[in-house]
Amino acid sequence: QQQVKQSPQSLIVQKGGIPIINCAYENTAFDYFPWYQQFPGKGPALLIAIRPDVSEKKEGRFTISFNKSAKQFSLHIMDSQPGDSATYFCAASYNNNDMRFGAGTRLTVKP
Amino acid sequence: DSGVTQTPKHLITATGQRVTLRCSPRSGDLSVYWYQQSLDQGLQFLIQYYNGEERAKGNILERFSAQQFPDLHSELNLSSLELGDSALYFCASSVDGLGGETQYFGPGTRLLVL
Repeated sequence: QQQVKQSPQSLIVQKGGIPIINCAYENTAFDYFPWYQQFPGKGPALLIAIRPDVSEKKEGRFTISFNKSAKQFSLHIMDSQPGDSATYFCAASYNNNDMRFGAGTRLTVKP
Repeated sequence: DSGVTQTPKHLITATGQRVTLRCSPRSGDLSVYWYQQSLDQGLQFLIQYYNGEERAKGNILERFSAQQFPDLHSELNLSSLELGDSALYFCASSVDGLGGETQYFGPGTRLLVL
């Protein structure tokens, strides 16, 4: 059932570190790859998204790297802060229907 | 605040019962999605509606049903509830449910089946 595999399950970094979360997908029809951030007790919120026609997208401290041939994409968080501590989900969809989510990565940024 | 509202926030019920979860999308959004989030299954897409019509179906059980009303709010009906249905249920909305749109998630309804 799961078509998007996400790793690691949890990640602890020091403030200022660069956590990297990786995702791999199976379905080559996927054409939209968003990352969501979820704080406890809240719904997921879109962080950044990429289409397969670009290899990298940067928004503020967040960067997605995309490797179409390997069917992998990753999220890098530059200069991480304690406020970035949250659960991060990668996702993939085709035509915005039936979005498939990774299992999530719980990130802790220590002060 | 995403602009998507969900009620109730919490729901406790017994096995075999039926509940209705309600969602109001962001103003102007025509498409509504329902997701289930549980510890063992993660975030699972259930169903999508666009302007009152079902557009896509995911892992929605036959005991579950949904609809979107003319005012665009949506309801998810869960019946013959089982312990395993305990989860967070999220509603999301987007402008027209096409590729590459941002889906805005509501705060969720936490369902506990005892």
